[in-house]
Amino acid sequence: AQSVAQPEDQVNVAEGNPLTVKCTYSVSGNPYLFWYVQYPNRGLQFLLKYITGDNLVKGSYGFEAEFNKSQTSFHLKKPSALVSDSALYFCAVRPRSGSARQLTFGSGTQLTVLP
Amino acid sequence: SAVISQKPSRDICQRGTSLTIQCQVDSQVTMMFWYRQQPGQSLTLIATANQGSEATYESGFVIDKFPISRPNLTFSTLTVSNMSPEDSSIYLCSVERTGGSGANVLTFGAGSRLTVL
Repeated sequence: AQSVAQPEDQVNVAEGNPLTVKCTYSVSGNPYLFWYVQYPNRGLQFLLKYITGDNLVKGSYGFEAEFNKSQTSFHLKKPSALVSDSALYFCAVRPRSGSARQLTFGSGTQLTVLP
Repeated sequence: SAVISQKPSRDICQRGTSLTIQCQVDSQVTMMFWYRQQPGQSLTLIATANQGSEATYESGFVIDKFPISRPNLTFSTLTVSNMSPEDSSIYLCSVERTGGSGANVLTFGAGSRLTVL
């Protein structure tokens, strides 16, 4: 069975500092990997995905993530955090041969950017 | 990408009652997905709604508790039946983008926050 782990429930970072939100996964074969963000009282919004190709993926709002196959990780990063980045972030994985039904979400990491 | 409208956005319900959540998409889609997000938890897929056939329910979810309708390719409803406080959650409708750079990505509605007293 596939799984996604976000080891940190909460990440605090000062505005202007780099941020990292961690994600590791377990899935058979090569996965599709995703990051979504949820702002208060909103649905989830897509940030970025890894399908194939370059291990460094760039997404919306200046976020990027690096696919590391050997470490089975897909950490979300941003060079300089903004207060407006404060939100709940979800990592998600699905097997390459699977369907959207097989998308598994991590438990979420609450990011707080302090002014 | 598709635009999804969900209503109600929030409601407070009494124990034992039922509530129907509506999901409207601005384009035709084959599959629509219903998720539950319990307080402080991640998203769990309830069922997949297919037009012209019965919904496919995930383990732990049954049709009697969460009946789903899918009358056409742009609309679906999820009913939460005989509610208890444990049903207090955010319920989210979702569709999968197809084609181009958006392929394999889910688009979500804003969610329906239900509180059961």
